[in-house]
Amino acid sequence: GENVEQHPSTLSVQEGDSAVIKCTYSDSASNYFPWYKQELGKGPQLIIDIRSNVGEKKDQRIAVTLNKTAKHFSLHITETQPEDSAVYFCAPGGQAGTALIFGKGTTLSVSS
Amino acid sequence: DSGVTQTPKHLITATGQRVTLRCSPRSGDLSVYWYQQSLDQGLQFLIQYYNGEERAKGNILERFSAQQFPDLHSELNLSSLELGDSALYFCASSPRVGVSSPLHFGNGTRLTVT
Repeated sequence: GENVEQHPSTLSVQEGDSAVIKCTYSDSASNYFPWYKQELGKGPQLIIDIRSNVGEKKDQRIAVTLNKTAKHFSLHITETQPEDSAVYFCAPGGQAGTALIFGKGTTLSVSS
Repeated sequence: DSGVTQTPKHLITATGQRVTLRCSPRSGDLSVYWYQQSLDQGLQFLIQYYNGEERAKGNILERFSAQQFPDLHSELNLSSLELGDSALYFCASSPRVGVSSPLHFGNGTRLTVT
């Protein structure tokens, strides 16, 4: 099965700084690479995703980059704001008959 | 609002008891997934249904079972409950059976076993 690791497990930044979270996976057949954000008391919510035919995707202050050769993808958040404080999960997947396997999460704290 | 509804929000019960968690997927979504979230284990995939049929199974205990009904809502049944079953249980839905489409999560059911 898929092994998924996220680093770091916690990240503290000052407002306005950038944050980067890396996700490493084991299954070379994975072709879908989403990032989810979970705020306190809520379920995870998709914030950005990328497919294996694309190397980078950007949506305003967030971006995801993919390195299929090295089997890792990263979430980049620029100009962080206090409302970015949450737990972020990666969940690489793509094989039919399986479900998304989530990393253990990264707790991001943005202080003002 | 994700459009996925989970009930109840909170559930407190005793060891050895049985509970049922309910999930209504987003309108039009045929796939339902159940995940368990505990502090030390992160989000663990339990089981997936697509249009009433079981499609994938994760680390689901034999004491747990699920089903998806013709109206597409799903129920997760947990029996012979143990203290270690205390966790947040999330339901998610997606339009298709594959994992290349976004999952829409409900806000979870917090189960406390005393």
